[in-house]
Amino acid sequence: GAGVSQSPSNKVTEKGKDVELRCDPISGHTALYWYRQSLGQGLEFLIYFQGNSAPDKSGLPSDRFSAERTGGSVSTLTIQRTQQEDSAVYLCASTKQGELTEAFFGQGTRLTVV
Amino acid sequence: RKEVEQDPGPFNVPEGATVAFNCTYSNSASQSFFWYRQDCRKEPKLLMSVYSSGNEDGRFTAQLNRASQYISLLIRDSKLSDSATYLCVVTGTNAGKSTFGDGTTLTVKP
Repeated sequence: GAGVSQSPSNKVTEKGKDVELRCDPISGHTALYWYRQSLGQGLEFLIYFQGNSAPDKSGLPSDRFSAERTGGSVSTLTIQRTQQEDSAVYLCASTKQGELTEAFFGQGTRLTVV
Repeated sequence: RKEVEQDPGPFNVPEGATVAFNCTYSNSASQSFFWYRQDCRKEPKLLMSVYSSGNEDGRFTAQLNRASQYISLLIRDSKLSDSATYLCVVTGTNAGKSTFGDGTTLTVKP
């Protein structure tokens, strides 16, 4: 597709359940980022991929959070045993490798843990 | 200390006012700089790149001060539609990673 695609756009889950969030970056973009944004707050960095490797995963809040990227394309962010404080909008962005150019964002997944 | 810091605001200004935001960054090796705009409940989108010589796009002017490690965004003749959160972005601090500031919220009132 032409832009970064994220799915689902909305997810409501029960506390304790696992969720998977998906990001399809722009074709040819090898750098991929996951951010989290709570209502009225700034972007919270989670993890950065260059190709399939993650040089920086310092932002993952706990070991309940993990992410992977396969084929240098699609990425999945998994949250295990969800808690209410995990409720937020999860944003994915991609940029071209080797070019310090703009990041393109998906529209995000709004996660609500009840 | 955060890699990229912004005054969160909020900035509340009347229509027609001039408003300026600053953003400081900690890594002197940073290479590229951008301003993004985020509307309420929307994803961030690029507003403008920031060039070493400074650049202007209509009512918006961006400047970079490498010696003091900050970038600025000036908005002249503010419009109601300028109300948004403005995020500064610094790239090149960690193998090309982009680092976002937390944003500065601007509200332009009639």
